[in-house]
Amino acid sequence: GNSVTQMEGPVTLSEEAFLTINCTYTATGYPSLFWYVQYPGEGLQLLLKATKADDKGSNKGFEATYRKETTSFHLEKGSVQVSDSAVYFCALDTGGFKTIFGAGTRLFVKA
Amino acid sequence: GAGVSQSPSNKVTEKGKDVELRCDPISGHTALYWYRQSLGQGLEFLIYFQGNSAPDKSGLPSDRFSAERTGGSVSTLTIQRTQQEDSAVYLCASSLAVQRANEQFFGPGTRLTVL
Repeated sequence: GNSVTQMEGPVTLSEEAFLTINCTYTATGYPSLFWYVQYPGEGLQLLLKATKADDKGSNKGFEATYRKETTSFHLEKGSVQVSDSAVYFCALDTGGFKTIFGAGTRLFVKA
Repeated sequence: GAGVSQSPSNKVTEKGKDVELRCDPISGHTALYWYRQSLGQGLEFLIYFQGNSAPDKSGLPSDRFSAERTGGSVSTLTIQRTQQEDSAVYLCASSLAVQRANEQFFGPGTRLTVL
């Protein structure tokens, strides 16, 4: 079946450090891939998405590239800020109603 | 309102009681989803609605769980005879349609605690 695996947290970084959160997936067909973010006390919100192989999603300095050959969609940011502290969820959908979410990775950024 | 709203924000109940959780989606969104987020776990898909119809209920954990949607808008998730393992945050989301790669907009969730 379809599934998403992302690195366990928490991830703790100092401000301006480079961030990578790994995400790999298993899916039949050609899924769309997403990163959602949940800031403290807020609901999940879409951060970025990619709908086909080699697409790069980007937003707020975050990037992720849809790699079909490695079934991955790793999230990266060159220089994190304290305000990036949140829980990040990788997700996929294969069309239709069901979006499969990973377990989430909590990020702490220290000043 | 501008976003998805859920009520109550917190619910504490005793084991064996019934609870109702409410979701108000963004106006005009035809698709509505319910998820459960347990501590340290990812989001578990429960059910979705396209309009007032729920074509697939297989994600509901047991027959104690039911959901309905009326007028293509408000949805209610009902849990009967609650158990301690039902304790979780219940999230509702809506989207313009049930369509590939559509962004889902999430509410703040209802935190359910079953004593």
